[in-house]
Amino acid sequence: EDQVTQSPEALRLQEGESSSLNCSYTVSGLRGLFWYRQDPGKGPEFLFTLYSAGEEKEKERLKATLTKKESFLHITAPKPEDSATYLCAVQGMTSGSRLTFGEGTQLTVNP
Amino acid sequence: GAGVSQTPSNKVTEKGKYVELRCDPISGHTALYWYRQSLGQGPEFLIYFQGTGAADDSGLPNDRFFAVRPEGSVSTLKIQRTERGDSAVYLCASSPGMNTEAFFGQGTRLTVV
Repeated sequence: EDQVTQSPEALRLQEGESSSLNCSYTVSGLRGLFWYRQDPGKGPEFLFTLYSAGEEKEKERLKATLTKKESFLHITAPKPEDSATYLCAVQGMTSGSRLTFGEGTQLTVNP
Repeated sequence: GAGVSQTPSNKVTEKGKYVELRCDPISGHTALYWYRQSLGQGPEFLIYFQGTGAADDSGLPNDRFFAVRPEGSVSTLKIQRTERGDSAVYLCASSPGMNTEAFFGQGTRLTVV
């Protein structure tokens, strides 16, 4: 059974204070690891897909990295508009097309 | 529209009633997913369609839940004899094909009173 654990549950940063969010996963063969952003009252918004260990992807102040056991979402010099819940999900070789999500990290960036 | 559209955005129903939730996916997307999200939790898989057929319905919690996609586009999630524990946000997502990133709608917040 695919499992995803995200940490921390909540993170409060000052504007400009860089940090990282962690996603640890257990899967029988990784087909893909996905990062989403979710604002209150909205559906998840796709950010990145990573497929193999060592892969990195960047978008504005966000960079996602992947190892065989975990993924990190690095946030460089965050702004208040980066405040959201960040969700990690995996798709395993034996789980078809379903995504298994973690519980998310709630990020607050104070001005 | 450009994104996944879900209606209604909010639904309040009495325990025991029947409800239908609608999802209109991104045009041309063949894969469609339903997830359920409780407060403070990540989305939980319910069912996946590839075209008109349910390719994986193993996430449906019991036989009160059923979903259809008769023409390979719009999908309806149907819940019979609703219970208070069914209260959650029901999310629909679509993707261009299997094993590609999924794009989510805004969700339908279902409250069973």
